[in-house]
Amino acid sequence: GQQLNQSPQSMFIQEGEDVSMNCTSSSIFNTWLWYKQDPGEGPVLLIALYKAGELTSNGRLTAQFGITRKDSFLNISASIPSDVGIYFCAGQEGAGGTSYGKLTFGQGTILTVHP
Amino acid sequence: EPEVTQTPSHQVTQMGQEVILRCVPISNHLYFYWYRQILGQKVEFLVSFYNNEISEKSEIFDDQFSVERPDGSNFTLKIRSTKLEDSAMYFCASSEAWGLGGDQPQHFGDGTRLSIL
Repeated sequence: GQQLNQSPQSMFIQEGEDVSMNCTSSSIFNTWLWYKQDPGEGPVLLIALYKAGELTSNGRLTAQFGITRKDSFLNISASIPSDVGIYFCAGQEGAGGTSYGKLTFGQGTILTVHP
Repeated sequence: EPEVTQTPSHQVTQMGQEVILRCVPISNHLYFYWYRQILGQKVEFLVSFYNNEISEKSEIFDDQFSVERPDGSNFTLKIRSTKLEDSAMYFCASSEAWGLGGDQPQHFGDGTRLSIL
């Protein structure tokens, strides 16, 4: 099946620093999404990307859909303590593919922010 | 903001017993999903459901599992004869649309923690 490789696995940063994480895939996805998961809760959608090359921002978060449709990155600027959590990328095939909306998730990036 | 709700938040069951996990998707959503997350691992797709039938299922979703939309609001996952390895967080998700006409992102509930003893 399709696999997403997400890196880094974990990051320890100081408050105020910028953060970057990325996902790569051996196969094409037509939609890339970034979710954040806090302990004991479900994934919460941060950014959805639908078009190759698209760059989208949501506050301090910026994500890009790679031109090849096989990768995506997420940047967090000026990190704050509440950014702590696990960040997941997820890919979706989209219409015309062999799946019906199924999300394939990366392994997650654990972010720790020191005040 | 509308949200996906799941009950119970934690279910403890003896191995071999049947469990039913319940979800109330967002009201105008048409596509429903179940995922699971074993402790410390990534989220894995189980099944998608649309128009009262399964659209796709993963290898994990074997004959032990079934899904149902018994009425206009609930979406359930049943696990028959549970095994120790079924212990995981189970997440329900829903989306307004998928495919031609515009993909819409999936929104997740907070999950049910299933512990099999």
